[in-house]
Amino acid sequence: EVQLVESGEGLVQPGSSMKLSCVASGFTFSNYGMNWIRQAPKKGLEWIALIYYDSSSKYYADSVKGRFTISRDNSKNTLYLEMNSLRSEDTAMYYCAKFGVGGYFDFWGPGTMVTVSS
Amino acid sequence: DIQMTQSPASLSASLGETVTIECRASEDIYSNLAWYQQKPGNSPQLLIYDANSLADGVPSRFSGSGSGTQYSLKINSLQSEDVASYFCQQYNNYPTFGAGTKLELK
Repeated sequence: EVQLVESGEGLVQPGSSMKLSCVASGFTFSNYGMNWIRQAPKKGLEWIALIYYDSSSKYYADSVKGRFTISRDNSKNTLYLEMNSLRSEDTAMYYCAKFGVGGYFDFWGPGTMVTVSS
Repeated sequence: DIQMTQSPASLSASLGETVTIECRASEDIYSNLAWYQQKPGNSPQLLIYDANSLADGVPSRFSGSGSGTQYSLKINSLQSEDVASYFCQQYNNYPTFGAGTKLELK
């Protein structure tokens, strides 16, 4: 059974940094691209970053480019999101999601909440 | 970025009714479209991919259709467990989502 479990939930001040983790199980993690997707309270879904299966390529939404960094450790089956210069508009539930064969997301974690507030 | 315009924003329907949700892309996305269901307090779950392929374990009352820039999700014989928000997503370019449709029971 595919499982994705995010961690790193918390309340931080504007301008600070935070790192999220997502531990994967139930599939060969090193074979699949992975993503971070976020959802602000009562809002829609926003894809923010993706990383190829071998970390050879990484892409970001304009809203986080230059501030967030996606990475992975295939030996630990873990995906990361390093978030710097956090803003109030970064407040959201953050989901990690596995790519299916195409560019759709076939499995999602339960999410971890990040709140940016003074 | 490819913009996804989803309608309606909210929908109220009765048990057993057929419901249709639509998504329009700002350019041709060549059927690179997925639909997700999100129940309150849960993460989204894949329903449909490649515009019309049913994901594993999804009931056959869900179906997807469309091509080019116009796509739709149909739910036949609405059940109480279908109360949720539904989102479309294109993956012809960097992923973008529709704003969502909140489906409630009448």
